[in-house]
This record gives sequence, structure tokens and C-alpha cells, in this order.
Amino acid sequence: GAVVSQHPSWVICKSGTSVKIECRSLDFQATTMFWYRQFPKQSLMLMATSNEGSKATYEQGVEKDKFLINHASLTLSTLTVTSAHPEDSSFYICSAIRPTNEKLFFGSGTQLSVL
Amino acid sequence: KQEVTQIPAALSVPEGENLVLNCSFTDSAIYNLQWFRQDPGKGLTSLLLIQSSQREQTSGRLNASLDKSSGRSTLYIAASQPGDSATYLCAVHLEELVFGKGTKLTVNP
Repeated sequence: GAVVSQHPSWVICKSGTSVKIECRSLDFQATTMFWYRQFPKQSLMLMATSNEGSKATYEQGVEKDKFLINHASLTLSTLTVTSAHPEDSSFYICSAIRPTNEKLFFGSGTQLSVL
Repeated sequence: KQEVTQIPAALSVPEGENLVLNCSFTDSAIYNLQWFRQDPGKGLTSLLLIQSSQREQTSGRLNASLDKSSGRSTLYIAASQPGDSATYLCAVHLEELVFGKGTKLTVNP
């Protein structure tokens, strides 16, 4: 079964609204989680590294004020797309590192469509 | 349900050797296939993206091929270097992104 749960799987929202995506590690504590996005016909790109109890580290070109990441517990990281616009429509996916063997596990992804 | 398999799980080679990593998938109806590398404790770095209509992509010493009909992709690394040591993952995209478990590559000086 899945060891990383991502919710929701898809969301449609109006322009200007905020959308929250959750990523949970189900059977291990993850001090580090990652958020990625993939635009149509493009590669999956790392957006940010989410560290439990501290600020996220954003990749160059990713607006930290627009993509709010909260990693308040060892099993949950959230990505909030604030004031979403159509150009934010994309596939977002999270991953988490299992500390015991450093293996990377992925959520099932969230397809965001902003109208 | 799409399944992605990567063989071998681990590979150790001497520096300078050319090598091939394999990725197979069960459902040939895909949008694209991607190869990534993962360094310990870090997120994925995208290496190559092959659209479903393409057969190969090249970037520097890397060449990836895609054979949809047989459900296979290979990542060829030429003249390997110690800095290539990492875990390499492939992923196929249709309704969702499905990852293989990766091949851990060690290039020995």
C-alpha cells in the first residue's frame, strides 16, 4: 500500500482562490519532504524542500510567497497555492525520504486546474 | 495498473566505463517517460524527458531511449565519472506519475 498519501488527487478552482495540498507519510516520520510540479509536456521539476520545524528551501524561480509550505509535523507537509491563476494549473507531487533507508516515496499527485 | 521496474537495483562500475540502466513499464499508453537522479537526502533532478512520440533524447554524456511497443527505456551513461554516483529513477506519466524503485549507481575512482 501507499506509504505517502497526497490529497486531493485533483482540484478545480476559480482564479484568485487558494488551494491547499496535503502530503502525509503514513508509516514513517519524514523530516524532509519535497514538492514538485510538472507542466504539460515538461519535466517534473523540484519546487522546494520542506523541512520539519523550519522554513522550506525554494528552488530558483519559485515564489515562496505564492507557494506556502508548512511542515509542522513529522508526518505532514502542506503546499498552499495562494491566489491561484490559470498559469498555476499543473500537476503537483510530493515525496518523502524514509530516514531508515533513505528511500524516496512519492504521493500520487494532485492535478490542479485554475479557471 | 501501470508498473515500472528498474534493473539492476544497484550497479558498481569503475570510472570511465560506459553503462546502461534499464526501465520497463507494463502499459505502453504513456504521455512521456522521464529519467531523474537522486543524490542522498536531496530531491530529484530531472535528467531527460522523452515524449511518447519520441524515441530518444540526449544531454551531454546521457542518452535515453524509449521503445513504447516493448515498454522499455534505457539510460546510457558514457565515460562514467565518480560524480555520476547517485540513484537513478525513471517515471512514466499518463493519468498519474509512476516511478520505478531506482538503480543505485556507484562509480569507483
